[in-house]
Amino acid sequence: DIVMTQSPLSLPVTPGEPASISCRSSQSLLHSNGYTYLDWYLQKPGQPPQLLIYLAFNRAPGVPDRFSGSGSGTDFTLEISRVEAEDVGLYYCKQALQRWTFGQGTRVEIK
Amino acid sequence: QITLKESGPTRVKPTETLTLTCTFSGFSFTSSPVGVGWIRQPPGKALEWLALVYWDDDKRYSSSLKSRLTITRDTSKNQVVLTMTNMDPVDTATYYCAHYYGDYVAFDIWGQGTMVTVSS
Repeated sequence: DIVMTQSPLSLPVTPGEPASISCRSSQSLLHSNGYTYLDWYLQKPGQPPQLLIYLAFNRAPGVPDRFSGSGSGTDFTLEISRVEAEDVGLYYCKQALQRWTFGQGTRVEIK
Repeated sequence: QITLKESGPTRVKPTETLTLTCTFSGFSFTSSPVGVGWIRQPPGKALEWLALVYWDDDKRYSSSLKSRLTITRDTSKNQVVLTMTNMDPVDTATYYCAHYYGDYVAFDIWGQGTMVTVSS
């Protein structure tokens, strides 16, 4: 099974400042079709997860443009250009190349 | 608008079989490239994917839980059912169903989840 490793596991942030979360997979997530099978989710407190980014860098409908995804192969990053208070919660990366596997989650909280 | 809702028992006893139902609306299960998946989250822990059924009735299971899981769909009722046998206290979790969109290769819409406690 592909293992997903996120860092950091906890991220205190200051509103208005940028933030970034890293995700590493145990093998390349590049599919033979040229797409990279990596997505990002945000789980706000008391809510189900919501899709933020799909296929490594595509924002899901309705997701603010302060969220961006980058990376390739085995190393990926989710960046928030200017953190807002509503961005607190648990962030997960997930691979979809072989079945589906989530990372451990990164808790983002306001300092 | 796509919606999904999970239903089932809130408590089961060890060794019993859990049956959860996901009732959905807003999409046709016979149109590619869609599917419905189940994901769980133990209290304070990370998400774990369990199973998925595609529009063509192809099915996928978590390798670690495959022997205990069965996923089925009823297109006439707009439902997907997950059964998990031989429940154990470690299976205590919130269970989510989610719409899988093949163009995104991702779960784009999630239900609110249902909490299941395994206890004697």
